[in-house]
Amino acid sequence: GQNIDQPTEMTATEGAIVQINCTYQTSGFNGLFWYQQHAGEAPTFLSYNVLDGLEEKGRFSSFLSRSKGYSYLLLKELQMKDSASYLCAVSGDSDNYGQNFVFGPGTRLSVLP
Amino acid sequence: AAGVIQSPRHLIKEKRETATLKCYPIPRHDTVYWYQQGPGQDPQFLISFYEKMQSDKGSIPDRFSAQQFSDYHSELNMSSLELGDSALYFCASSSSTALAKNIQYFGAGTRLSVL
Repeated sequence: GQNIDQPTEMTATEGAIVQINCTYQTSGFNGLFWYQQHAGEAPTFLSYNVLDGLEEKGRFSSFLSRSKGYSYLLLKELQMKDSASYLCAVSGDSDNYGQNFVFGPGTRLSVLP
Repeated sequence: AAGVIQSPRHLIKEKRETATLKCYPIPRHDTVYWYQQGPGQDPQFLISFYEKMQSDKGSIPDRFSAQQFSDYHSELNMSSLELGDSALYFCASSSSTALAKNIQYFGAGTRLSVL
């Protein structure tokens, strides 16, 4: 099965940079995903890593180290609207032919003025 | 671009009633997933379908069932509703043939309240 760990809460200041870490243990690995979720809304896809290294996408970057079972999401030039929960999700082996997709507990980020 | 459509957006039921939630995936997506999210919790995977067949099963109660139809839309049927079933139910879809496959795109969710 999958075990995913993230910090519960983080606080940062508008305009700053914040790094949200995610560690995981999985049976197999088919990719790691980051989602943003505002309260009461659907998770929104941010980034996807399947190979080691950094994926950059505007103000958001995500890094993966498969050997360490570690990923981080980097948010630059923080804006108030970035206040949300950030969910790390891992796709691993399934007992069936589907993917076993598990979300971490999420990190609630508060951006302060 | 078309997104995942879920209906209804809100649903109020009483204990022991039944409910049916519908999900229309993004066009040309062949895989549908259902999640349940309680207040302050992360989404819990319930069940998924690939090409109209169940592909994976998570923590779906026996009182719930789901299927995917020939037009790829999916329905989650919930019977003998309990107070604890009150939650946000998300549907997501993905494409097994897309370049970045396995990325799941979520619908806006159905908020179910059981009274």
